[in-house]
Amino acid sequence: DIQMTQSPSTLSASVGDRVTITCRASQSISSWLAWYQQKPGKAPKLLIYDASSLESGVPSRFSGSGSGTEFTLTISSLQPDDFASYYCQQYNSYLYTFGQGTKLEIK
Amino acid sequence: EVQLVESGGGLIQPGGSLRLSCAASGFTVSSNYMSWVRQAPGKGLEWVSVIYSGGSTYYADSVKGRFTISRDNSKNTLYLQMNSLRAEDTAVYYCARQWGDGRIDYWGQGTLVTVSS
Repeated sequence: DIQMTQSPSTLSASVGDRVTITCRASQSISSWLAWYQQKPGKAPKLLIYDASSLESGVPSRFSGSGSGTEFTLTISSLQPDDFASYYCQQYNSYLYTFGQGTKLEIK
Repeated sequence: EVQLVESGGGLIQPGGSLRLSCAASGFTVSSNYMSWVRQAPGKGLEWVSVIYSGGSTYYADSVKGRFTISRDNSKNTLYLQMNSLRAEDTAVYYCARQWGDGRIDYWGQGTLVTVSS
């Protein structure tokens, strides 16, 4: 099974900051990776797919990069609405594993 | 408009069974890859099961042999039959549509399953 490891688990930042979240796969997944945002009590929302493609309607301050085993999600300038939890997910194999999540908190 | 509406959650004793339903609208369930994803209270997301458009099914090791994913094409509905439930199965269960064999582009609102005596 492919394991997905996210870091950090918690990130404290301020409005306007640039932040980066990392996701590492236990084996190569090419570019078959998605990033989701989840707010408390809500279903996750797709942000990025195929490692670097921005989902329609998602602000351009979100971007993704990487391939193989190392991936990043970057928010260029944090907005108040961005404080949430973020998850990566691989879809290279049918065991569609998620990372353990990163909680983005207000500093 | 794509919509996914789960139902069937509730309180169940350990060892019991429950069937979750996910009624879809705005697209055809049988033409898509459909998954169940769960989230234990205060924890992260865990993929549970998928059914491919061709009918193949796959499960996470944690539920293999106990859970069964299926669909009713006439009702455009996805199901998750959960047997031999354990306390660690307590979670919000989300129904989800995959775009091709990939990203989840639509999620339901979730239904809470609580396994407790």
